[in-house]
Amino acid sequence: NAGVMQNPRHLVRRRGQEARLRCSPMKGHSHVYWYRQLPEEGLKFMVYLQKENIIDESGMPKERFSAEFPKEGPSILRIQQVVRGDSAAYFCASSPRSSASYEQYFGPGTRLTVT
Amino acid sequence: TQLLEQSPQFLSIQEGENLTVYCNSSSVFSSLQWYRQEPGEGPVLLVTVVTGGEVKKLKRLTFQFGDARKDSSLHITAAQPGDTGLYLCAGSSNTGKLIFGQGTTLQVKP
Repeated sequence: NAGVMQNPRHLVRRRGQEARLRCSPMKGHSHVYWYRQLPEEGLKFMVYLQKENIIDESGMPKERFSAEFPKEGPSILRIQQVVRGDSAAYFCASSPRSSASYEQYFGPGTRLTVT
Repeated sequence: TQLLEQSPQFLSIQEGENLTVYCNSSSVFSSLQWYRQEPGEGPVLLVTVVTGGEVKKLKRLTFQFGDARKDSSLHITAAQPGDTGLYLCAGSSNTGKLIFGQGTTLQVKP
């Protein structure tokens, strides 16, 4: 029973390049959340998606960041024209469709380094 | 804006001692979750509390949700070096997103 999977685990990008982070939720989970953990800071919510829908993107920066969760395949967090301040650990979490207590299970994260 | 204040931020104790970590807010949460995170890994869910006043036990760990569902505590009895790690509390909003506390870094010395 595989948990939440994220890849790549580590990603290095030069300033101005694009970063694509992938997340496969746990089997049977249709709710996906993305969080960012900056160095020496806590986890901050970015976006909440269900299949083919963005439910809450109140934590997403207005520019350069986008997320999707297509009908087939993993959820993608895309960062265009990366800057040094985007260096962080990005975590994906998933929860069951019928969860009443909103339990979320986290993946191992993608550590993005912008040089 | 919902905020969770977690304290203490750092705690260094000797093996066998007891400790309590607090998580406080002025907001009401639908549920509250406690996680443990190891360096380089994602948070691992320890427990979810949903009902005001709820108490849950996980071996030597006791979790309590305040009556008003605004605060929570984690109590560890007879701490072991294996308990060393980062402990995070997170409150769930009605939309499902989690609001995290700053975390408590616990070091248990043998």
